[in-house]
Amino acid sequence: EAGVAQSPRYKIIEKRQSVAFWCNPISGHATLYWYQQILGQGPKLLIQFQNNGVVDDSQLPKDRFSAERLKGVDSTLKIQPAKLEDSAVYLCASSYIKGQGAGNEQFFGPGTRLTVL
Amino acid sequence: GQQLNQSPQSMFIQEGEDVSMNCTSSSIFNTWLWYKQDPGEGPVLLIALYKAGELTSNGRLTAQFGITRKDSFLNISASIPSDVGIYFCAGLKETSGSRLTFGEGTQLTVNP
Repeated sequence: EAGVAQSPRYKIIEKRQSVAFWCNPISGHATLYWYQQILGQGPKLLIQFQNNGVVDDSQLPKDRFSAERLKGVDSTLKIQPAKLEDSAVYLCASSYIKGQGAGNEQFFGPGTRLTVL
Repeated sequence: GQQLNQSPQSMFIQEGEDVSMNCTSSSIFNTWLWYKQDPGEGPVLLIALYKAGELTSNGRLTAQFGITRKDSFLNISASIPSDVGIYFCAGLKETSGSRLTFGEGTQLTVNP
C-alpha cells in the first residue's frame, strides 16, 4: 500500500514570496491533515479535511495560509506571502476515519522542508 | 501550545540497553499514539492505545495507556543502532475530535 505522498521535499523562498505544497493521501483515506513542525517541536495541526470539507481550521493563520481539497483526494496548502517564521516542515497526514477509536490512526507523509530567507 | 509533557528530552544509551520514556498531561485522553521520526522524514506510527490500562507490544516496543488516562509510557528493550531518532507521543482528547496533541519529543541516541 502506497503511503502519503508530498511534494516538493524541499523549498527555499524569500520572504513575501508565495509557495504551495501538494499532498496525496493514502488511497481510501477520507480524512486529510496538514501540520506545521517547527524545528525541535512536535507537529501542530493547521487544518483538517473530511473528504472535500474543512473540519477544523482553527489553528490556520488565515491571513496568509490557505488550503483546499477540491475533489476530496489531493490537497494543496499555500502560503502567501511567506514570513521568516514560516520556516518549518509541513507534514501531510491521512486517516481512514475521523474522530476517536481504531481506524483513526494518522499516517504521515515525508514532509516539505520550507526555508524562508 | 503543547499540553503534553514528554520526558526525557534526550537520552544517550549503549546498544543493548533498555529505554523508557513517558508523556503526562493534566488533561484526560481517549487515545495515545507513539510515533518515531527519522531525520528528513515524517513521523511513523509505532503503537496505538485506546483503553485505560491497555498494554500493547510491537516487537521490542511496549507501550501502556495510563489508568488515569493522563499518561502513557513507551519502553524499548535491547536497543539497537537503528532505534536512533525522535520519539513523539500524541494524544486525542475527548473534546478535540481528531486533533492530535503532540509532545515535544524524546531524542534517542544509541551508541554501538
